[in-house]
Amino acid sequence: AQRVTQPEKLLSVFKGAPVELKCNYSYSGSPELFWYVQYSRQRLQLLLRHISRESIKGFTADLNKGETSFHLKKPFAQEEDSAMYYCALWGYQKVTFGTGTKLQVIP
Amino acid sequence: NAGVTQTPKFQVLKTGQSMTLQCAQDMNHNSMYWYRQDPGMGLRLIYYSASEGTTDKGEVPNGYNVSRLNKREFSLRLESAAPSQTSVYFCASSMQGDGSPLHFGNGTRLTVT
Repeated sequence: AQRVTQPEKLLSVFKGAPVELKCNYSYSGSPELFWYVQYSRQRLQLLLRHISRESIKGFTADLNKGETSFHLKKPFAQEEDSAMYYCALWGYQKVTFGTGTKLQVIP
Repeated sequence: NAGVTQTPKFQVLKTGQSMTLQCAQDMNHNSMYWYRQDPGMGLRLIYYSASEGTTDKGEVPNGYNVSRLNKREFSLRLESAAPSQTSVYFCASSMQGDGSPLHFGNGTRLTVT
């Protein structure tokens, strides 16, 4: 079975402060991990995937197989980063999502 | 390109009524999915279709049926709606079931009274 855990339902940070959204996973194989973002009243969209190792909108995420984690980080939060963030894992022909973390950036 | 299109956007049903949620994609994707989104529960997979002609149960299939009509279309049917099925439903597609990113529709907000 595969599982994704996002321990924080809500994360509030001030504008300009660093952001770290936590994600831990459980999977017996080699994981394919993603972060998706949902802005208010919009559809979910891909933010980044671990295999591409790129930075999108200033966000990065590193896969740590030893700690089974894929935390999302940004050094300086912006107001437009306020959204719902979902960590997701590909396995056995389907994607399993975490419960999501709402990021609130306070001006 | 429209991407993934879902209809309807909103629906109110009474307990026991039936309805079908429609989903179509124009990206020539092989795999399609239905999720429900509930507060505090994240997205939970209802059914998926790894390729045309196949469908499989996800995490929460009870009370739902699906049809992969062709490569483009994947519908979700509620035969006898219950208040517990009040949710936002998202259809998604991916090139194939091997780690390809999901592309989502705009969602259908369903209320069952």
